[in-house]
Amino acid sequence: GAGVSQSPRYKVAKRGQDVALRCDPISGHVSLFWYQQALGQGPEFLTYFQNEAQLDKSGLPSDRFFAERPEGSVSTLKIQRTQQEDSAVYLCASSSYRGPLLVAGANVLTFGAGSRLTVL
Amino acid sequence: TQLLEQSPQFLSIQEGENLTVYCNSSSVFSSLQWYRQEPGEGPVLLVTVVTGGEVKKLKRLTFQFGDARKDSSLHITAAQPGDTGLYLCAGAKLYGNKLVFGAGTILRVKS
Repeated sequence: GAGVSQSPRYKVAKRGQDVALRCDPISGHVSLFWYQQALGQGPEFLTYFQNEAQLDKSGLPSDRFFAERPEGSVSTLKIQRTQQEDSAVYLCASSSYRGPLLVAGANVLTFGAGSRLTVL
Repeated sequence: TQLLEQSPQFLSIQEGENLTVYCNSSSVFSSLQWYRQEPGEGPVLLVTVVTGGEVKKLKRLTFQFGDARKDSSLHITAAQPGDTGLYLCAGAKLYGNKLVFGAGTILRVKS
């Protein structure tokens, strides 16, 4: 597609529910990133895929968070047993660059509009 | 704890005024990016600076990377209402996998 598409745009969950957030990256982009943006804060890194391989998941806040990209295109971020502190905008970004994130600033990330999760 | 500190957090100015936003860190970054984010949208890249002391201009926006590559500034000349938004700086380490973002500066330009 022309841009990074995320769905749903808005999700309200009751505490304890499981949620799944979807990201459709730009066609052909090999690198995919998930970021979490709390209200009034900048985005914080969650995880990084190169094709179907999850190369870095150091930012996932707990084992309730799980991300996958089984065929190297669409990615899903799953949050189990949601808590109120999980309320945030979850941003997905993709890049055509194959290597590590930024080599001499060569990489460009295209962000989606995000999925806003509210946990009641 | 934010590795990148942005100031000011909020700025409300009149159309035509000039402004500067700062992004500071105690860490050295291989490159630094500035993004603009509007409500309900994802961040959009404005510029990447990679060399200490580098200055880049984008129309009325001037970006500077500090000599030691620990800080950066964004200067807007003759601000317009269309400049309103959240400005984010983000740093990257060489061969790293992640961008480290500041908390952002909310800019409101009144006509």
